[in-house]
Formats: sequence, structure tokens, C-alpha cells
Amino acid sequence: GQQLNQSPQSMFIQEGEDVSMNCTSSSIFNTWLWYKQEPGEGPVLLIALYKAGELTSNGRLTAQFGITRKDSFLNISASIPSDVGIYFCAGQLGSGNTPLVFGKGTRLSVIA
Amino acid sequence: NAGVTQTPKFQVLKTGQSMTLQCAQDMNHEYMSWYRQDPGMGLRLIHYSVGAGITDQGEVPNGYNVSRSTTEDFPLRLLSAAPSQTSVYFCASRLTAGGTEAFFGQGTRLTVV
Repeated sequence: GQQLNQSPQSMFIQEGEDVSMNCTSSSIFNTWLWYKQEPGEGPVLLIALYKAGELTSNGRLTAQFGITRKDSFLNISASIPSDVGIYFCAGQLGSGNTPLVFGKGTRLSVIA
Repeated sequence: NAGVTQTPKFQVLKTGQSMTLQCAQDMNHEYMSWYRQDPGMGLRLIHYSVGAGITDQGEVPNGYNVSRSTTEDFPLRLLSAAPSQTSVYFCASRLTAGGTEAFFGQGTRLTVV
């Protein structure tokens, strides 16, 4: 099946630092989504992107839909301990009924 | 709002046993799906449904059955559990037309011994 390559796999950062993670694919996606999963919970949608080049923010989080439509980036500014979790990218190749494809996740640890 | 509700939250099965994981949503979403999450593997799609009476296979459907008799419910059945089915299972729902956001349940942690 389609694959999304998400990197890095894990990150250990100091509180207050900025964080960047990304997803790439060999296929063109029409939609990119970013989720966060906390321990014992299901993923929660953070940001949805629908147009190539689109840059969207949600508080300290900013995500971009790559201009080639084959990649997406998530940045977290001034990290805090509650940012800890697994961040997943997801993409949709078509529209409507097309299933989402998920990356394998980036596990973020924040050291106070 | 309850959102997406999964039951049970935890389950231990013996190899060969059968069980049904329940999923219900109260958002009138047409599209529902089941994923399994394994360490280092991300979320992999098992089965999905675009509406009542319609189901389709995802990336890893073997060993699982689904049905969709109502808009609200989408149960996942394991007919003969195997240790390889030890995983965390998530149900998700979303609007179909024009909607890609998915709302996830809290998950069912299944152990097959």
C-alpha cells in the first residue's frame, strides 16, 4: 500500500526548544493531516491542510502542505511538557471516500 | 457529546476464541473505519465503511470481519483470535463528502495468549 515516511522516529528536546518533523511520500496527496496521540488515548486532530503551499497554525503549532503535494511539515514552537506524545501525519490520495494513509509517528519527549 | 465510543477498553483472549469489538458514534458520520496500532508501525487500516450496508477491506483485513447495519455502529469481529492480533484497536469516524478529519475512539487494548 501507499507509504508515508515520517521523520524523525523520536525526539528528545529541552523545554522551550522548537520542534520540527515532516512526512514525505512518492505519491501526490490532496489532503494532509496532523494528529497527536497521548498515552492511553486515541489520536486527536491538530491541523488539516487542503491546498498545496497552505500554511496553517493552531496555537504554537504550524503545519505546511508542501508545494509538490508530496510532503508536509509540522513545527512546534517553545515546547512545553504537555507536548509529549506521538505525532502522526496522515494523507488522503483522493477525496471523499478514499481512506487515510498514516505515517508511523514521531515520539516526542520534552525534558523540563 | 459522546463522539466515538469503543468497548471494551481492555480484553484478554485465548488463542482460537472469538470476540466482537464494539464501536458506536453519535455524530451521524457516514464513514467509519477500524485501525490497529502496533509499536513502530503506526496506524494500519483493517476495514472501513462508507455507509450502512457497505464495507471494504483496508491494508490488513485478514482475520477480521465487519458489518454495518446502522449508521451508528461498526463492530469488528475476530472469529478465531491469534497471538498476532495482539494490538491496540482504534475505531474512527468522519463525514464522507468534503470531510477528511477523523474522530477516534479511545481504543481497545487486546491481548491474545
